Amino acid sequence: QVQLQESGPGLVKPSETLSLTCTVSGGSISSYYWSWIRQPAGKGLEWIGRIYTSGSTNYNPSLKSRVTMSVDTSKNQFSLKLSSVTAADTAVYYCGLGVAPDAFDIWGQGTMVTVSS
Amino acid sequence: QSVLTQPPSASGTPGQRVTISCSGSSSNIGSNYVYWYQQLPGTAPKLLIYRNNQRPSGVPDRFSGSKSGTSASLAISGLRSEDEADYYCAAWDDSLSGWVVFGGGTKLTVL
Repeated sequence: QVQLQESGPGLVKPSETLSLTCTVSGGSISSYYWSWIRQPAGKGLEWIGRIYTSGSTNYNPSLKSRVTMSVDTSKNQFSLKLSSVTAADTAVYYCGLGVAPDAFDIWGQGTMVTVSS
Repeated sequence: QSVLTQPPSASGTPGQRVTISCSGSSSNIGSNYVYWYQQLPGTAPKLLIYRNNQRPSGVPDRFSGSKSGTSASLAISGLRSEDEADYYCAAWDDSLSGWVVFGGGTKLTVL
């Protein structure tokens, strides 16, 4: 059973870069689509972007200028970097696995990131 | 403002059938699959319906999905207290370079 676990700093200062990693256990990272989704407290889900194991990416147009995703198959991990963060980026961040490019079959438990000085 | 439109709330009594709607456009629901996710309080979302009307293994057949044109619906029959959760629809949107769009979510209350 594939499981996902997000990790990274829980507190990031405004204007800095948020960096998160998703570690995959119980299976290979290959041949799946890997996404990041976030959810501000009390609000809905927002797709940040996805990366395929080949390295090809798609990003949310509203975040595209600030987002970078990468995958490290040797470590079974994929990562998110979001630059120039503001308080509006405070949210629970989830990583997700999709067999299809538009699906999230498995989700991590989520990690809370707060942007504050 | 979400790209897909869902009612913010829905409710029903145990045993009832409830439906949750999801409205989009030709660039998303009208031309791509619809997915539904269930988020129980304090937990991560879970895939409930994929490719419009398919259930992953382990999802009870009380849950069903349908799509017509630029709208989709999630139906829950034989409502149970444990179905109280937030439900989100999602679809790929072909506009711009392509991206996943979500509905704003519907909070289902079991009375």
